[in-house]
Formats: sequence, C-alpha cells, structure tokens
Amino acid sequence: DGGITQSPKYLFRKEGQNVTLSCEQNLNHDAMYWYRQDPGQGLRLIYYSQIVNDFQKGDIAEGYSVSREKKESFPLTVTSAQKNPTAFYLCASSIQGSMNTEAFFGQGTRLTVV
Amino acid sequence: GENVEQHPSTLSVQEGDSAVIKCTYSDSASNYFPWYKQELGKGPQLIIDIRSNVGEKKDQRIAVTLNKTAKHFSLHITETQPEDSAVYFCAASSTDKLIFGTGTRLQVFP
Repeated sequence: DGGITQSPKYLFRKEGQNVTLSCEQNLNHDAMYWYRQDPGQGLRLIYYSQIVNDFQKGDIAEGYSVSREKKESFPLTVTSAQKNPTAFYLCASSIQGSMNTEAFFGQGTRLTVV
Repeated sequence: GENVEQHPSTLSVQEGDSAVIKCTYSDSASNYFPWYKQELGKGPQLIIDIRSNVGEKKDQRIAVTLNKTAKHFSLHITETQPEDSAVYFCAASSTDKLIFGTGTRLQVFP
C-alpha cells in the first residue's frame, strides 16, 4: 500500500533533550512538509522540502531542524531550544512543491514533554 | 502575512440537516482551496478541493463554493450523518505552501 508513515505515534521527552520524529513516504512525491497542530489553532508550517537535499523554513521553524537526504524520508528534530514542544506533529507530502495539488498526511506523532 | 479565517469553530446539527462552514482568505493570488476532514487522533484527509477557475464543485453530499471577488469559500454538507462528525479544515494556497484555517468541530447528533 502506498502512503505516508509517521513514527512513533506517541513520544515522551524530558526537558532539555532533543528528539527526532520519523516520516517516510512511498508515494514517489517530491515535496514533503512538517506541520504542528495545537488545540484551537490551524496547522502551522514548520519546514518544507521541495526536492532532495533542499528545504526551507516555514512559519515556526525556531527550535526545529530537518534533513532531506532521501526522497522518501523527511525526519524532524525537536531541539531543546523549542520552548513549548508539546503538540501533535503532522507530516505531509505532495507530488510537487507548488502546493496546488493534494497533500497527503500521515497519522501524526503526539509529543509530550515530561 | 497571508491568513485564512474559518467560522464557526464548533457546529452542532441534527442528523439529516445541512452544515455550512465558511472561510475567507487574504492572499488574492491564492488559486487552490482544499478542504480536509480530521478524525480524532488521525491525520487530515482531503475531502474536496476547488480551483480558482471554478465557482462550485459537488461530490455526492459535499459541495464547495468559491467567490474570488469576496475571497470567500464555503463547504456545504447535506443530509448529515453521525460519521460526518470530525474537525474540518479549509486551506488556501499561497506561493509554495498551504495556509490552513483554525478548524471547525462538527458534531452530528442522531
């Protein structure tokens, strides 16, 4: 089955630790995205990548880092510099980076800082 | 910057009634307007989308209308069913990213 997979589903992190969220897609999509979702707010864009080995900051990139070494993978690292990391994180992909085509979302990772 | 406003934030309807969710956008260059449905604990899924060269699009019980002059677009769900209960997000394209609304929690009571 083609799709986009995020892991883990739930993640707990101690304050001061970095943590990496996984996102893999087998849809052969060029573009991949990371969004953050908080209660009562829309999806806010953290980082996006339109092609391998290239990525751009979204609206709330501070405290996060990404890499795009393979077309299929776009991991997100939440660093200790992120002041309020507890949230639901969603990864998405689309055929091309113009965002005028359907974005397919993963099932999300819920990160909790303990 | 670009933004998308979505109303209402919550909507409760009786099964069989219609539901309407409205969005406005600020970027006049936006030309793609998708609607997503998100069930509890899951990622959003596209349910319908419309492009700026079309004023209305329908898919069974779901329809979307677009008024480019007013920068408004709306989602219409007819003959609602309990399984329509979810959070719905509108979005508008802006250069190379999608700007999402804040979501509408729809509850359909049997």
